[in-house]
Amino acid sequence: DQQVKQNSPSLSVQEGRISILNCDYTNSMFDYFLWYKKYPAEGPTFLISISSIKDKNEDGRFTVFLNKSAKHLSLHIVPSQPGDSAVYFCAATTYNTDKLIFGTGTRLQVFP
Amino acid sequence: KAGVTQTPRYLIKTRGQQVTLSCSPISGHRSVSWYQQTPGQGLQFLFEYFSETQRNKGNFPGRFSGRQFSNSRSEMNVSTLELGDSALYLCASSPPTGVGKNYGYTFGSGTRLTVV
Repeated sequence: DQQVKQNSPSLSVQEGRISILNCDYTNSMFDYFLWYKKYPAEGPTFLISISSIKDKNEDGRFTVFLNKSAKHLSLHIVPSQPGDSAVYFCAATTYNTDKLIFGTGTRLQVFP
Repeated sequence: KAGVTQTPRYLIKTRGQQVTLSCSPISGHRSVSWYQQTPGQGLQFLFEYFSETQRNKGNFPGRFSGRQFSNSRSEMNVSTLELGDSALYLCASSPPTGVGKNYGYTFGSGTRLTVV
């Protein structure tokens, strides 16, 4: 049972434009959602998180939106840069645990 | 400050052997979690340890085990290795539960295990 899903395996965006990565979840007990960026053979790098009591969180070029009624979150990257090219994972966790449930990942390619 | 250190970085083992992987968390972090990444299954949760106690275990067979020491360092062990155990094994550390969610969990670079 895949509790966290990223339905787009890949996304290609031109440099300077907005990248929007999507994530859906099924477990209403998730209280925090996180986005990670990952390169091959390396550990994921934390980008941004959002609590379930909020609907938006911003950090520089990264903004995460949470729609609890739709059980959907998205990561917006503006403007996109070639260095953003990587695999992006969303993850979710529940209260009083550090166990992360990851989505399947979306490969983002930013071209000049 | 030093990040999460995983050793070894690469490992080649034969089917049927056992392997032990090590993870040293960031100084002061007491929570350590382990994950397995494979092309087919993505990032799957293995175990979570806090203050030497296993708090959660993922859906993996009993061949996968782990432990945490009093200095928060953690090891995971896989016995009777199978070809399907070939994967990147990652550990993550965090400060007390709750804080990590705000600031993200810090991952090590992983151990690439190849079973032949």
